[in-house]
Formats: sequence, structure tokens, C-alpha cells
Amino acid sequence: GQQLNQSPQSMFIQEGEDVSMNCTSSSIFNTWLWYKQDPGEGPVLLIALYKAGELTSNGRLTAQFGITRKDSFLNISASIPSDVGIYFCAGSGIQGAQKLVFGQGTRLTINP
Amino acid sequence: DAGITQSPRHKVTETGTPVTLRCHQTENHRYMYWYRQDPGHGLRLIHYSYGVKDTDKGEVSDGYSVSRSKTEDFLLTLESATSSQTSVYFCAISGGTSAQQETQYFGPGTRLLVL
Repeated sequence: GQQLNQSPQSMFIQEGEDVSMNCTSSSIFNTWLWYKQDPGEGPVLLIALYKAGELTSNGRLTAQFGITRKDSFLNISASIPSDVGIYFCAGSGIQGAQKLVFGQGTRLTINP
Repeated sequence: DAGITQSPRHKVTETGTPVTLRCHQTENHRYMYWYRQDPGHGLRLIHYSYGVKDTDKGEVSDGYSVSRSKTEDFLLTLESATSSQTSVYFCAISGGTSAQQETQYFGPGTRLLVL
């Protein structure tokens, strides 16, 4: 099925560094979502974006809905050990369809 | 956290046996989904429901059936389990305000091993 192009696939950083990841699509999306998944757990919603150009923060996390509606990025500032995990983007392209397209995930590893 | 529970959380079964996984929500959301997650494939939609008794197929529906007799419960059945159905299964819900109906919340998952 259709998937989003999420990059990078993995990141190895030092504690305290900032992190940036992004997702792109060839299709226009109406909603962009960012999730984090810890081992053995379900994905947890971090940030939801509903308008082109929207910039939303959740603590140290900031995400933006691209103006073209074909991309989104997630930034994490001053990373801490509990930020370790897999981050997924997801998009919904058709209003009311309630189906999501997912990125393949970015695995974040932090060296203390 | 969205009120979503899945049962069982872990199950080991044998090839050819029927298996039913349950998803229960306390959010009164209209839409419910079943996904499977496998290495290299990410999250793939199996079936979804847009209301009581209203269901539709996702991209990997072969070998699976679903039922939704109440708003709060969505059951996934493997009629005759195969080893290829070994996976982690996630339930999700959506259907808040009209502006947020695409926003899905996931359950904790069920880890299924078919021997």
C-alpha cells in the first residue's frame, strides 16, 4: 500500500542534542500526525496537525504541517534518554475517509 | 490516554485453530480499526469499522474477519490461524470532533504467536 517517505530511518545522537525528522508525500494530505512507539507498546499520539502551515508544540516537541500539504517535520529539542523510541508520521489524504498512511518510522537512539 | 484496551495481550496458538482478539473502547468513538505490525512492513490496516455492524476491508484482510455488535467492542477473528499471521496486532479508534476525525488513538497491542 501507499507509504510516506520518512527520513532519516535511524538516528544516533548525544543526550542534549536537538533532533529533526521529516515526512514527504507525493499526495496532498489534510491531516498530519506524529506518533512515538516504545518497545512492546502501542503508538502514542504526540502531535496532530490539521491546517497547512500550522506549527504546533508539545513540550520539547515541535511539528509543522508543510505549506504544500505534502510534507511535515518533527523537531525534538534538548533530547533526553526517555526520547528513545520509534517515531512515526501518518497522514490522511481524503477528508472523512478516516484511513491513515504511515511512514516507516525513525528509530532514535541516544547516547548518555 | 484514550480508553482502549485489548485482550488478550499475549497469545500462543497452533496452526489451524481459530483465534479471536478483542478491542474495547470507553470513548464512544465511531471508527475502530485493526492493524498488524511486522518488521519491514510497518503498520498495515486489516479491517475497520465505521459504525455498529458496518465494517470494511483494509489492505491485508485475507484470513481475517471482524464483527462489531456494540459501539465499544470490535473483534478480530482468525478463522484458521497460520504461521504468517504471527504478528503484533493493534486496535485503534477515531471519531472525535469533526476536525479531528482522522486522528487515531492506538491500544497497547496483542502479541500473537502461531506455532
